[in-house]
Amino acid sequence: QKEVEQDPGPLSVPEGAIVSLNCTYSNSAFQYFMWYRQYSRKGPELLMYTYSSGNKEDGRFTAQVDKSSKYISLFIRDSQPSDSATYLCAMSALHIQGAQKLVFGQGTRLTINP
Amino acid sequence: NAGVTQTPKFQVLKTGQSMTLQCAQDMNHEYMSWYRQDPGMGLRLIHYSVGAGITDQGEVPNGYNVSRSTTEDFPLRLLSAAPSQTSVYFCASSYSGTENTEAFFGQGTRLTVV
Repeated sequence: QKEVEQDPGPLSVPEGAIVSLNCTYSNSAFQYFMWYRQYSRKGPELLMYTYSSGNKEDGRFTAQVDKSSKYISLFIRDSQPSDSATYLCAMSALHIQGAQKLVFGQGTRLTINP
Repeated sequence: NAGVTQTPKFQVLKTGQSMTLQCAQDMNHEYMSWYRQDPGMGLRLIHYSVGAGITDQGEVPNGYNVSRSTTEDFPLRLLSAAPSQTSVYFCASSYSGTENTEAFFGQGTRLTVV
């Protein structure tokens, strides 16, 4: 069983729709939760980062963490064609000797149709 | 500002050949790491380093060697390439420490082993 599970999609929605992306995890040691966005043939870029349970908002993006259920979500409001990308959830435990070892989900490929 | 630079961008190897994937960062980050990305698998950690002279294994280290002689460079060596090593390889860097910090990724190296 993978430590982090993410529905790979693909997911296709019309422009302006609300998008919900989700990951579940099994390792209780995970303390840091991130969402990366990866455009085609590019490296991942950090989109959102949360530490505690609850919601964190940044413009059209909201990251949600529920540690009791081991479940994280990313919501995109008023989705735009430029949001079309692969979204990867990533997690890490408390760092040992400065090592930030990220564990990634499989990634969800999202397409926003004009 | 170059960030994380990976070379080459593309490479085709024959089974049994060796090669080195280069990674350099100009942000004075202590922590550097190598990931491979395969369809349906997300990114998986190969090796990481918390500073010059210090390296350790990640989730999938077999068939790969690393060294860290300077803060800036973290090359990944394939000793005897196998078709199973066909993948996209990403190098990442970040500040190390006890708190989570943003990992910056390179553009990736697409490797095909025939």
